[in-house]
Amino acid sequence: GAGVSQSPSNKVTEKGKDVELRCDPISGHTALYWYRQSLGQGLEFLIYFQGNSAPDKSGLPSDRFSAERTGGSVSTLTIQRTQQEDSAVYLCASKSSGSSYEQYFGPGTRLTVT
Amino acid sequence: QQQVKQSPQSLIVQKGGISIINCAYENTAFDYFPWYQQFPGKGPALLIAIRPDVSEKKEGRFTISFNKSAKQFSLHIMDSQPGDSATYFCAARGGGATNKLIFGTGTLLAVQP
Repeated sequence: GAGVSQSPSNKVTEKGKDVELRCDPISGHTALYWYRQSLGQGLEFLIYFQGNSAPDKSGLPSDRFSAERTGGSVSTLTIQRTQQEDSAVYLCASKSSGSSYEQYFGPGTRLTVT
Repeated sequence: QQQVKQSPQSLIVQKGGISIINCAYENTAFDYFPWYQQFPGKGPALLIAIRPDVSEKKEGRFTISFNKSAKQFSLHIMDSQPGDSATYFCAARGGGATNKLIFGTGTLLAVQP
């Protein structure tokens, strides 16, 4: 079946602009995660959704970052007033509601803030 | 307490050799330790994972060794192949209901033909 998809694959934006990144999880997966991967760094947790609720937003770096999920499916990560330090690859992962801990990752969106 | 420390940062191995990547953690509440493989331009893909009640898990050429008392775990790639050249990340499940993963900083592996 289809895996996790993300769009756009690449986004170049000017400092101060807002951007929206989209994630389509695997159908039926109730859990959805956003991570950020900066150059030469590991993946940094941003936010977790269970259904449409976000019980863990502890990784969002500032109030310029927000995310929502609708219909228990698609999620959008929004970054307002982008800064150069926001440049990174933003990865989305989803997980089924079963006992497996495995997270399936999408290909990511590479964000470049100029 | 939430960190996972990974070494080395980069590794060069000859074809047919053994690649070894090490990780260490502090938080004893971690209960699931996966290794992810990432190729350029792709998202990470689960390679192999272990839970702390097991000291070793093997899948094909890939083996995780887990030392609970030392809070360390490692990935061994036997008979390394050029196609194994990628970035490898260890991770730990952070505990609680969120299932979030805490990642190491990654190891760039190059297998020379």
